[in-house]
Amino acid sequence: NAGVTQTPKFQVLKTGQSMTLQCAQDMNHEYMSWYRQDPGMGLRLIHYSVGAGITDQGEVPNGYNVSRSTTEDFPLRLLSAAPSQTSVYFCASSLTGTGGNEKLFFGSGTQLSVL
Amino acid sequence: AQSVSQHNHHVILSEAASLELGCNYSYGGTVNLFWYVQYPGQHLQLLLKYFSGDPLVKGIKGFEAEFIKSKFSFNLRKPSVQWSDTAEYFCAVNAQGADGLTFGKGTHLIIQP
Repeated sequence: NAGVTQTPKFQVLKTGQSMTLQCAQDMNHEYMSWYRQDPGMGLRLIHYSVGAGITDQGEVPNGYNVSRSTTEDFPLRLLSAAPSQTSVYFCASSLTGTGGNEKLFFGSGTQLSVL
Repeated sequence: AQSVSQHNHHVILSEAASLELGCNYSYGGTVNLFWYVQYPGQHLQLLLKYFSGDPLVKGIKGFEAEFIKSKFSFNLRKPSVQWSDTAEYFCAVNAQGADGLTFGKGTHLIIQP
């Protein structure tokens, strides 16, 4: 199993550009989520999904969209990138649950810079 | 909303020293508690977790943590650290019934050989 795969690993955007961060898992996990990690801030939850067709907002959802058309994929879309979105983004999944009562499996992260 | 405080942002120890990393949370109800670790160049991975039962939990690589409900704490310990323990350590809390985890800011641990 590949686990949780994120692409790209690095990305540089200009302010106002849009892009999609990809996340895929091959473990048949129901729960998937996106976190961002900023220096001195820890990880903060952006959006999450408890199954295909179901998504919800986390702590810092503004400026991001998600969809969950399949169990495997959970892309994160930046609609109009801003410098404040410069961060490292992590995708995480778990077999079931709501992201707080099971072990999370993390991807390797996407380092995004917005100029 | 719950919050998590990790007392030390940077810790430097010599090999064979004992380790204790502090973690306190602010939530009065039932919680699930986690420690995650991120080794250089690797994914975040679970070190150990506490849901219920024995408040002293053991994790991978010789780590353990003790849940003290009266102190809202979940400190991570290891009796004798190794150079390979150099990593970023994150404490995380979930209030039962809530979605997702609230992470602390992390502790960057450096072990000097």
